[in-house]
Amino acid sequence: GDSVTQMEGPVTLSEEAFLTINCTYTATGYPSLFWYVQYPGEGLQLLLKATKADDKGSNKGFEATYRKETTSFHLEKGSVQVSDSAVYFCALSPLDAGSRLTFGEGTQLTVNP
Amino acid sequence: GAVVSQHPSRVICKSGTSVKIECRSLDFQATTMFWYRQFPKQSLMLMATSNEGSKATYEQGVEKDKFLINHASLTLSTLTVTSAHPEDSSFYICSAGSNQPQHFGDGTRLSIL
Repeated sequence: GDSVTQMEGPVTLSEEAFLTINCTYTATGYPSLFWYVQYPGEGLQLLLKATKADDKGSNKGFEATYRKETTSFHLEKGSVQVSDSAVYFCALSPLDAGSRLTFGEGTQLTVNP
Repeated sequence: GAVVSQHPSRVICKSGTSVKIECRSLDFQATTMFWYRQFPKQSLMLMATSNEGSKATYEQGVEKDKFLINHASLTLSTLTVTSAHPEDSSFYICSAGSNQPQHFGDGTRLSIL
């Protein structure tokens, strides 16, 4: 079945550091890929998405590129802020399975001032 | 503003109590909603797909008699945890949307004493 694997956390960075959170997936066909963010005590918010190979999703300074050859969708940000502290989830949705999502394990990010 | 409203946000109750959680789509109709469960420091696991006007589809290992789902209208799905026990304590999140991206509720923190 489909699966998503994220780098293990937690990740602790200083403000303005570069962020990479790795994400790889296993799926048949061509799924859509997503990054969601969860702030403490809240639900999930979509951060960015990509629906086909070589697409780059971007939002709030975060970027991720859909790499079919490496089945990856790594999240990057050039300069993190304290307000970016949250849990980040990589997820996929198969084209033939409606809108159900398969999530990775989540990566806790803490940014210190 | 929020497009999916989930209520209540937090429930604390005694073992043996049944608890109902509501998920509403606020400005769109949702023929399908999804219920997820999240254990502490873990990812979201899909429990069931709620279908308006028909039976819910449960994931393998999820007890349908334990987690009752009703999707009686195009804007409301309810999840009832029947005869809840401490092991049912978790964070429950719903999502809705005809396509991606899904819109998530803010989640319900259920604590069974």
